[in-house]
Amino acid sequence: IAGITQAPTSQILAAGRRMTLRCTQDMRHNAMYWYRQDLGLGLRLIHYSNTAGTTGKGEVPDGYSVSRANTDDFPLTLASAVPSQTSVYFCASRRGGGADTQYFGPGTRLTVL
Amino acid sequence: SQQGEEDPQALSIQEGENATMNCSYKTSINNLQWYRQNSGRGLVHLILIRSNEREKHSGRLRVTLDTSKKSSSLLITASRAADTASYFCATVGVDSSYKLIFGSGTRLLVRP
Repeated sequence: IAGITQAPTSQILAAGRRMTLRCTQDMRHNAMYWYRQDLGLGLRLIHYSNTAGTTGKGEVPDGYSVSRANTDDFPLTLASAVPSQTSVYFCASRRGGGADTQYFGPGTRLTVL
Repeated sequence: SQQGEEDPQALSIQEGENATMNCSYKTSINNLQWYRQNSGRGLVHLILIRSNEREKHSGRLRVTLDTSKKSSSLLITASRAADTASYFCATVGVDSSYKLIFGSGTRLLVRP
């Protein structure tokens, strides 16, 4: 079934550790996004990529990095996790070419202790 | 900071009733979208309305947009228990960046 997969589903991480959240889509969408969702809030954009090889900063990029080596994959890395990064992380993709709808993955629940 | 504020934050209605959620935003937009999120799941796109449109329908959903008031509303008619979810509005700015800015959401509970 076409769509977006995220891994892991959930993770408990010690502060100071490095962590990479994985996101893969098989829809050949050009654009991909990472959001975080905190309890009771909407989603906030962390980083995005309009096409393979390019990335950009969103609303809350500090403490996170991304790469887009190919169309399908868009990993999010926390170089040194802090408790304030405890959140649910969603990856999304958009076809591009003027299409505006974003398609979301199931999310990764991350707890930093 | 988030673009939109949604009202109410929570809504509880009886099955069969209509549910209305409102969204206000701050800056000029290219389009406004509504998404649904079931508990613990990813978001699902419901409907998109462009800045030059005033009303749009999709099944039991009706969306209105008033750009002069920077507001939108989502109406779900004849609600069902399966409509229980959180609903978010999200805007795309006029800079054509295609970045979505989300509101804080409305939690809808439809009682059977």
